[in-house]
Amino acid sequence: DAKTTQPPSMDCAEGRAANLPCNHSTISGNEYVYWYRQIHSQGPQYIIHGLKNNETNEMASLIITEDRKSSTLILPHATLRDTAVYYCIVRVGGSQGNLIFGKGTKLSVKP
Amino acid sequence: DAMVIQNPRYQVTQFGKPVTLSCSQTLNHNVMYWYQQKSSQAPKLLFHYYDKDFNNEADTPDNFQSRRPNTSFCFLDIRSPGLGDAAMYLCASQVGTKNIQYFGAGTRLSVL
Repeated sequence: DAKTTQPPSMDCAEGRAANLPCNHSTISGNEYVYWYRQIHSQGPQYIIHGLKNNETNEMASLIITEDRKSSTLILPHATLRDTAVYYCIVRVGGSQGNLIFGKGTKLSVKP
Repeated sequence: DAMVIQNPRYQVTQFGKPVTLSCSQTLNHNVMYWYQQKSSQAPKLLFHYYDKDFNNEADTPDNFQSRRPNTSFCFLDIRSPGLGDAAMYLCASQVGTKNIQYFGAGTRLSVL
């Protein structure tokens, strides 16, 4: 079973920041937090991942709490093309960890 | 350019008629995965190859088999498709030393 809890859906106004929360209270010390998204009828797309430090790339920022029990994915300026299901996944590092997808959050970006 | 390619995008088969879905990747990744995604559900891992080593998930039905003839190609064989096997099938690849999976666009299978 997935080890994360996410709200089933969220709305965001176009141009505003989208903040997607994720709870992973049973995360182990060697598990990373990964975020993927899946636009309708496409394969999942990697967004970002982190262990304990905050991370930023060209797509998003990942904020992980100090106790690592929760995290937030931030899309700084959401566009209509960011409408998708966002999956927060915890997995061990290296090649042995598999992706166990939970139900994700359906983000709807509205004009 | 697409790095993980799945063909075809749409596949229709008849109940009980074997079907093969194909996946290729141009990334020279040593790990390849197959997922099943039913309507309105999250992707579910069926099995994966680490190099030539096959790893089956415990709850993957025997009806599903896989072949990996070389690094670039991986096939999903469904020996006797049932109506419940209608789904999107996703292929992904990953480099063993990194943790990022790259997914193909998927093959949507219909069973008539």
